[in-house]
Amino acid sequence: DIQMTQSPSSLSASVGDRVTITCRASQSISSYLNWYQQKPGKAPKLLIYAASSLQSGVPSRFSGSGSGTDFTLTISSLQPEDFATYYCQQSYSTPEAFGPGTKVDIK
Amino acid sequence: QITLKESGPTLVKPTQTLTLTCTFSGFSLSTSGVGVGWIRQPPGKALEWLALIYWDDDKRYSPSLKSRLTITKDTSKNQVVLTMTNMDPVDTATYYCAHRIMSSSWEYFQHWGQGTLVTVSS
Repeated sequence: DIQMTQSPSSLSASVGDRVTITCRASQSISSYLNWYQQKPGKAPKLLIYAASSLQSGVPSRFSGSGSGTDFTLTISSLQPEDFATYYCQQSYSTPEAFGPGTKVDIK
Repeated sequence: QITLKESGPTLVKPTQTLTLTCTFSGFSLSTSGVGVGWIRQPPGKALEWLALIYWDDDKRYSPSLKSRLTITKDTSKNQVVLTMTNMDPVDTATYYCAHRIMSSSWEYFQHWGQGTLVTVSS
């Protein structure tokens, strides 16, 4: 099974900060990597698919990069509505796996 | 507009079988490249992928739960049903269904239901 790790597990940031979250797969997953945002009590929301494609309607301050085993989600200028938990997910092979999540909160 | 909604019991007893229904609109499960998946999230914990069914009736399961899971679809009713046998308190979680998109280059859960909290307790 492919294992997913994320770092950091949590971070504190201010509005306007640039935030970077890293996701690593235990083996190559090509570009089959997706990013989701989840706010408390809500369902996850797709942000990025195929490692770097921005889902329709998602602000352009979100971007994704990487391929193989190492991936990054970047928020270029953190906004108040971005405080949430972020999960990566590999869809390369069964069983698909989500990362443990990165919680972004207010400094 | 694509919507999905999970339904089923909120409380089940240990050893019982859980049956959850995902009722959706805005897409058809007979369309090539479309699927529906189930994902769960124990309180305060991360997301866990459970099962997936595609338009062609291809089914995928989490190996650790495969012996307990069954996923089926009813295209005419726009529903996907997940059954999980032998429920245990560790299965307490919010269960989500999600609309799946696949192509030769990507696969992802594009739209999610609101989730339903299932508690396993005697």
